[in-house]
Amino acid sequence: ETGVTQSPTHLIKTRGQQVTLRCSSQSGHNTVSWYQQALGQGPQFIFQYYREEENGRGNFPPRFSGLQFPNYSSELNVNALELDDSALYLCASSLKGQGAIEAFFGQGTRLTVV
Amino acid sequence: AQTVTQSQPEMSVQEAETVTLSCTYDTSESNYYLFWYKQPPSRQMILVIRQEAYKQQNATENRFSVNFQKAAKSFSLKISDSQLGDTAMYFCAFISGNQFYFGTGTSLTVIP
Repeated sequence: ETGVTQSPTHLIKTRGQQVTLRCSSQSGHNTVSWYQQALGQGPQFIFQYYREEENGRGNFPPRFSGLQFPNYSSELNVNALELDDSALYLCASSLKGQGAIEAFFGQGTRLTVV
Repeated sequence: AQTVTQSQPEMSVQEAETVTLSCTYDTSESNYYLFWYKQPPSRQMILVIRQEAYKQQNATENRFSVNFQKAAKSFSLKISDSQLGDTAMYFCAFISGNQFYFGTGTSLTVIP
């Protein structure tokens, strides 16, 4: 078990709704990255937050947004949900300065959009 | 392009036997890190082993070892003395910039 916790573990939303996923980073880590893992696929990078600022973004539309708080925890927000947003969302925490070499993943949030 | 290819969607191995999972990658970076992650049904990605590209010596971690061929951009994982707890999805990955690039995974089943 890592020190990275995500909530909720599962949720079901309706197309067009908005959702917020949460991640508490491992103690001492100042960087949080979010990944989307569709069924049968490897995780895809959404974005990274460092010192409360977005620090890199993958190929995801603006309706995917995030926040990082002073305690380094983070939120992923998705607006106007689409069926294809159904996936496992993983967050990973790491300590900037060592790159992302030591990254610890949470157990994920399974989002189902109906 | 930064890509990772795992050409074996599913594999199985008898308990106590040895199995090798294949991975090839493509990157323009000269120095990078390669990883194998395990994802059991609990969904949490767990680091199995890590290799620094500038190190010629293959990494080992107990029953897990890699065969790293930098020129061929190949990074296979060997699991010796397979155990039932090794049953999981295995993802090959590397880091470039701020992000991991993952392959599509290999589902490994250890048969009693």
